[in-house]
Amino acid sequence: ETGVTQTPRHLVMGMTNKKSLKCEQHLGHNAMYWYKQSAKKPLELMFVYSLEERVENNSVPSRFSPECPNSSHLFLHLHTLQPEDSALYLCASSQGTRGVETQYFGPGTRLLVL
Amino acid sequence: DQQVKQNSPSLSVQEGRISILNCDYTNSMFDYFLWYKKYPAEGPTFLISISSIKDKNEDGRFTVFLNKSAKHLSLHIVPSQPGDSAVYFCAASAGNAGNMLTFGGGTRLMVKP
Repeated sequence: ETGVTQTPRHLVMGMTNKKSLKCEQHLGHNAMYWYKQSAKKPLELMFVYSLEERVENNSVPSRFSPECPNSSHLFLHLHTLQPEDSALYLCASSQGTRGVETQYFGPGTRLLVL
Repeated sequence: DQQVKQNSPSLSVQEGRISILNCDYTNSMFDYFLWYKKYPAEGPTFLISISSIKDKNEDGRFTVFLNKSAKHLSLHIVPSQPGDSAVYFCAASAGNAGNMLTFGGGTRLMVKP
């Protein structure tokens, strides 16, 4: 596997379910990101991790809980979501976070909350 | 309020002609701008970038122009090819938060053979 991978690619869940999205990067990067893209809206940055420490939490509701166990893996734990949380969730990685560095994106997980 | 706007949701161009995609921003602290391209079922891929100290950056068929006074940037693709058909996003960042990208809503480009 190369680049940034995300699993699952598609997910349907009920509002009472608990699920997790997984992201893995094979680029040796030190920073990872979660973005959300809702229909007809721009990509919105949710979380930033640098060297496994969270450096940004962009006013995201607590029903989204990120986890970064090491620099290659990033999870987004989901619980008691709402239908308006249905969106494409994109993971990205970059070499660092100190300057503007190219972010490499995964293919995304398309989430539907019923 | 969106700080980065792409006012044209779609653009259709004939193969071989020029494609011009536009992006406007409101935050005067933005000093680095990027264009990403996205095919269906794939994540965005980096295309080209420009720093605010420049007004033009060129990479092959792709050129980005920056007009700081107008807070406007554009991406020119010459000549356009059918494989360029995709959604194009512009993004911006401020120097003190370089990795925090603010994206526009995207423009869908269709290049007709």
